[in-house]
Amino acid sequence: DSGVTQTPKHLITATGQRVTLRCSPRSGDLSVYWYQQSLDQGLQFLIQYYNGEERAKGNILERFSAQQFPDLHSELNLSSLELGDSALYFCASSVDGGIYGYTFGSGTRLTVV
Amino acid sequence: GESVGLHLPTLSVQEGDNSIINCAYSNSASDYFIWYKQESGKGPQFIIDIRSNMDKRQGQRVTVLLNKTVKHLSLQIAATQPGDSAVYFCAEEKGGKLIFGQGTELSVKP
Repeated sequence: DSGVTQTPKHLITATGQRVTLRCSPRSGDLSVYWYQQSLDQGLQFLIQYYNGEERAKGNILERFSAQQFPDLHSELNLSSLELGDSALYFCASSVDGGIYGYTFGSGTRLTVV
Repeated sequence: GESVGLHLPTLSVQEGDNSIINCAYSNSASDYFIWYKQESGKGPQFIIDIRSNMDKRQGQRVTVLLNKTVKHLSLQIAATQPGDSAVYFCAEEKGGKLIFGQGTELSVKP
């Protein structure tokens, strides 16, 4: 157990729908990162939050959004889902927003049908 | 550009042999590199890292080599075991985010 908790583990939904993925970072970690892993794109950085504020943005679609709450858990919202959004979504956390101690959760597998 | 790529998508080795997984990166200004192991159904797991001021770093049964001249990174696994079967990714750190290569699937034959 990495200490980073992601729920749900699996999610199946229809095109056009909206889903929310949740991530609880390791105890003491202030920063949360979201990554998407698909077969054709590999692991791609989406967005980073540090202590409630957005710090960095990567290849995140406008249909996707995220936030980090005062208790430091984070949610990734995916809307108007398309078949191509089917992927594994990983959350990682670190203490200070840097790379050291960067730990990944087990991911949420999203299937859009 | 921002790309980290792997030379081989799959690698099959005999149990007990040494494994070498290669990675090329394109950003010569990169300062920090990490190798991750990803088993089926799990998230990437840290294996070993190296900073750009080093050429080699050793861990338990693993060694990372960095050749900055040709922008090449390799992961060596000694005495490969069935439990080493997984997908291995190299990653390059940039501004707190990781840029991953496509991954190499390592298969260990008993």
